[in-house]
Amino acid sequence: AQTVTQSQPEMSVQEAETVTLSCTYDTSENNYYLFWYKQPPSRQMILVIRQEAYKQQNATENRFSVNFQKAAKSFSLKISDSQLGDTAMYFCAFGDAGGTSYGKLTFGQGTILTVHP
Amino acid sequence: NAGVTQTPKFQVLKTGQSMTLQCAQDMNHNSMYWYRQDPGMGLRLIYYSASEGTTDKGEVPNGYNVSRLNKREFSLRLESAAPSQTSVYFCASSELLHFAKSGNTIYFGEGSWLTVV
Repeated sequence: AQTVTQSQPEMSVQEAETVTLSCTYDTSENNYYLFWYKQPPSRQMILVIRQEAYKQQNATENRFSVNFQKAAKSFSLKISDSQLGDTAMYFCAFGDAGGTSYGKLTFGQGTILTVHP
Repeated sequence: NAGVTQTPKFQVLKTGQSMTLQCAQDMNHNSMYWYRQDPGMGLRLIYYSASEGTTDKGEVPNGYNVSRLNKREFSLRLESAAPSQTSVYFCASSELLHFAKSGNTIYFGEGSWLTVV
């Protein structure tokens, strides 16, 4: 079974600065996907960024980028030029892409990010 | 741009009562899911439906039943609610079940807050 660990329960950053959220995972699979989801106070889950394990290049989406270290099983999220609207709970999630997978996502415990003006 | 719509958004039940959470998606997705989120934790999969006419158990299925009414709709039923089922419930959908085949991602609804007293 896979596990996902987010070791930072809470983080804070000043507006316009950069912050990095950590995530580690444990799996015996070789083919999988990793995701960062944002959950603002409205509770809606919003996909921020995804990374395919077979791709060495780190994914980027505008101000969001990841540092994917497959050997270390680490998947951190970097938010550049932080904005007040980035304040939310952030979840790291693992998705098995193997033949027996069924779309199940395994989530970490979440990191509450607060952006201060 | 409705995406995934859940009803009701808020519900208070007494122990032993039954209720059904409704979910509908307008993205023509084949697969649908029900997750629950407890305080301070990530989401856990309750049930999923790979395609119309099929349903399967996830991590935490006890105390729940589901119905895939048609391609658009996937309901979750609590037959005899217990305080341990107090949670936020998320419905989600994706184009296909397997990440490796679809390369897609899972889209979430806004959540349904359920309190059992």
